[in-house]
Amino acid sequence: AQSVTQLDSQVPVFEEAPVELRCNYSSSVSVYLFWYVQYPNQGLQLLLKYLSGSTLVKGINGFEAEFNKSQTSFHLRKPSVHISDTAEYFCAVSDRRGYQKVTFGIGTKLQVIP
Amino acid sequence: DAGVTQSPTHLIKTRGQQVTLRCSPISGHKSVSWYQQVLGQGPQFIFQYYEKEERGRGNFPDRFSARQFPNYSSELNVNALLLGDSALYLCASSPGTGSYNEQFFGPGTRLTVL
Repeated sequence: AQSVTQLDSQVPVFEEAPVELRCNYSSSVSVYLFWYVQYPNQGLQLLLKYLSGSTLVKGINGFEAEFNKSQTSFHLRKPSVHISDTAEYFCAVSDRRGYQKVTFGIGTKLQVIP
Repeated sequence: DAGVTQSPTHLIKTRGQQVTLRCSPISGHKSVSWYQQVLGQGPQFIFQYYEKEERGRGNFPDRFSARQFPNYSSELNVNALLLGDSALYLCASSPGTGSYNEQFFGPGTRLTVL
């Protein structure tokens, strides 16, 4: 079984400032890692995913994440946020061996302050 | 191309009733997964269907059932509704069944049980 811990439920940040959203996971097997974004009253959209290879993954809208196997972390970063980045962000994992059962974290609400 | 569509967008039911939610995947996608997102939580996996067969099931009671049709659309049925079934129900489609595949989410169906 897998679990995901998102350490911050809410993160306020000023516009054009950098941001890091933290994610730690636990699993007894190898996993794939994902970050999804959910805008108000919408479904989820994939920001980026780590499957293999380089531990620094670049995604859409200027976001990137770094996979750290020893710390079982997959933190999401953006060097300069915009008002439009205000949304809820979910870290997720899935078992490499199996079907598409994705385990999500509780989510982090990013509030960008003008 | 149209994205994942779900119907209805909102639904109000009373305890003990039954509900059917519908999902149409992106054209060409053969895998459909269902998730339950309770307010303030991350999505929780309910089912995955691929080529009309159930490929995975989450920790949900037998009151929850689903099926996939030859055109790859899907229905989620919930019987004997409880207050705790109130949630946003998300459908996601994917071209394949492997966990590395990106899942594309619909906007969800908001179910309220009174």
